[in-house]
Amino acid sequence: RKEVEQDPGPFNVPEGATVAFNCTYSNSASQSFFWYRQDCRKEPKLLMSVYSSGNEDGRFTAQLNRASQYISLLIRDSKLSDSATYLCVVSGTTSYGKLTFGQGTILTVHP
Amino acid sequence: NAGVTQTPKFQVLKTGQSMTLQCAQDMNHEYMSWYRQDPGMGLRLIHYSVGAGITDQGEVPNGYNVSRSTTEDFPLRLLSAAPSQTSVYFCASSTSRLAGGNSYEQYFGPGTRLTVT
Repeated sequence: RKEVEQDPGPFNVPEGATVAFNCTYSNSASQSFFWYRQDCRKEPKLLMSVYSSGNEDGRFTAQLNRASQYISLLIRDSKLSDSATYLCVVSGTTSYGKLTFGQGTILTVHP
Repeated sequence: NAGVTQTPKFQVLKTGQSMTLQCAQDMNHEYMSWYRQDPGMGLRLIHYSVGAGITDQGEVPNGYNVSRSTTEDFPLRLLSAAPSQTSVYFCASSTSRLAGGNSYEQYFGPGTRLTVT
């Protein structure tokens, strides 16, 4: 079983749609959780951290369920510029945060 | 700040050749790492370093060597290139928890696209 699993998609949605991505992780000792965004042929960049209490950044909402070892990302009012690959990322217990990546979910937002 | 820089951007090697992928950061980050990205596999950790003189293996270290003689530089050496090493290689850096801030935000370089024929 992969340590971090995501539905690879692709998700094709119209502008303005709401889309949700899910991710599960296998190591119950994982400490930190993130969503990274990767544009085509570019490097990954941090989108947002994920906390147990849930957190929101504009149109993006991330949730963590430690009991189910499940992470989600909700994007509201999708824009064309949201088209990218979204990477679910988990970190262990060390202070230097070795990251484990899911394989990514591809999102395409069309007019 | 230039952030994390990688050279070269593209490289083609023949099987058996060796080469070094360069990575440098100017943010005084203690932690640096190398990942490879293959279709459908996500990013996989090759080697990492928690400071100058300290390196350790990640998930897929075979065929690669690293060293960390300075805080700024973390080169990745391919000893004898194989077609299975065809991939996109990303270098990343971050601060440690003790340094404060969002210690787990890793900053990635633009990547090196390597083809081994």
